[in-house]
Amino acid sequence: EIVMTQSPATLSVSPGERATLSCRASQSVNRNLAWYQQKVGQAPRLLIYGASTRATGIPARFSGTGSGTEFTLTISSLQSEDFAVYYCQQYDKWPPLTFGGGTTVEIK
Amino acid sequence: EVQLVESGGGLVQPGSSLRLYCTTSGGTFGDSGMHWLRQAPGKGPEWVSGISWNNVFINYGDSVKGRFTVSRDNAKNSLYLQMDSLTTEDTALYYCASRREGQGFGIWGRGTMVSVSP
Repeated sequence: EIVMTQSPATLSVSPGERATLSCRASQSVNRNLAWYQQKVGQAPRLLIYGASTRATGIPARFSGTGSGTEFTLTISSLQSEDFAVYYCQQYDKWPPLTFGGGTTVEIK
Repeated sequence: EVQLVESGGGLVQPGSSLRLYCTTSGGTFGDSGMHWLRQAPGKGPEWVSGISWNNVFINYGDSVKGRFTVSRDNAKNSLYLQMDSLTTEDTALYYCASRREGQGFGIWGRGTMVSVSP
């Protein structure tokens, strides 16, 4: 099973600032990685797939980079609606499909 | 736009069974793989099971293998999860989600809550 590790667990950022979230895989997942945003009381929403492709309707301030075992999600200028929990997920080698433990982006 | 709607959750005792349902609103499953995921209170999502569009490939997470059975009926645009021998560890919000090859889980339902308690 591929273990996904996200850091930091919590990120405190001021509105308008940049947020950088990290995700590491226990073995290479090539570029088969997705990022999700989850707000309280809602289902996760797909932001990025293929490590860097934005899903339909996702604003350009969200960008993903990386390949192999190291990935980054960047939110270029945080808006109020971006404060949420973010998860990475690999779909390179499965079953099982595995998620990271999440990064909470909170208002500083 | 396709929406997914789960149902069938509830409060049951350990050892009981439940059957979850997922149907579409506003479209079809199409050629997407369909999956069940769950999320325990305060935890991240956990993949439970997936089934390919043509029912050829069926997979389960280790924690539910041998107890849960996934199936789908494309003619009815329905996905099912038969859950047997439930334990308190199965308590979670259960989501159905679609996934196309090479992508993440693009469409999620709102979830149905399963609570297993003595």
